Amino acid sequence: DQQVKQNSPSLSVQEGRISILNCDYTNSMFDYFLWYKKYPAEGPTFLISISSIKDKNEDGRFTVFLNKSAKHLSLHIVPSQPGDSAVYFCAARPNFGNEKLTFGTGTRLTIIP
Amino acid sequence: NAGVTQTPKFRVLKTGQSMTLLCAQDMNHEYMYWYRQDPGMGLRLIHYSVGEGTTAKGEVPDGYNVSRLKKQNFLLGLESAAPSQTSVYFCASSFASSGANVLTFGAGSRLTVL
Repeated sequence: DQQVKQNSPSLSVQEGRISILNCDYTNSMFDYFLWYKKYPAEGPTFLISISSIKDKNEDGRFTVFLNKSAKHLSLHIVPSQPGDSAVYFCAARPNFGNEKLTFGTGTRLTIIP
Repeated sequence: NAGVTQTPKFRVLKTGQSMTLLCAQDMNHEYMYWYRQDPGMGLRLIHYSVGEGTTAKGEVPDGYNVSRLKKQNFLLGLESAAPSQTSVYFCASSFASSGANVLTFGAGSRLTVL
């Protein structure tokens, strides 16, 4: 049972436009949500997170939105740059047992110059 | 500051062989993890440790064993490798703290079982 779902395996966006990556979850006990970025032949690196008590968190070009009632979060990247081309993983952890982070299947973002 | 280091980076095994993947972190993190990444499956937790001398099962523990004899090291063992264990393995570590619990990952170890 996939508790964290990323239904779009891939996404292509023109450079300078907005990239929107989506993530859905099923476990209402998830307390924190994170986005990781992964380049080929490297490990994932942390990008941005959001607590369940918030509905938005912004860090430079990256903004994460959380809709708890819909169990949905999204990552907005604006403006998109060629260096943003990577695989993006959504992850979530419960409010107890914070050592367990559950990842989605990932979305491959390609920025077209 | 190396962060999280995994060895080896690549390995090819025959079915039934055994091997150990080594993970070392120099950030004094309490928690350490082993994940595997497969196409279309994302990152799945194999085993994890919340401190020296402790280990626990994750989502897909079968066929693997782990040990955390020293705080900085977390070993992943395959006693009898199977083709289904062909994957990219990632080690990660984090502080034992509340909040987002941000994991720092190693570069990965690509294992092929023939």
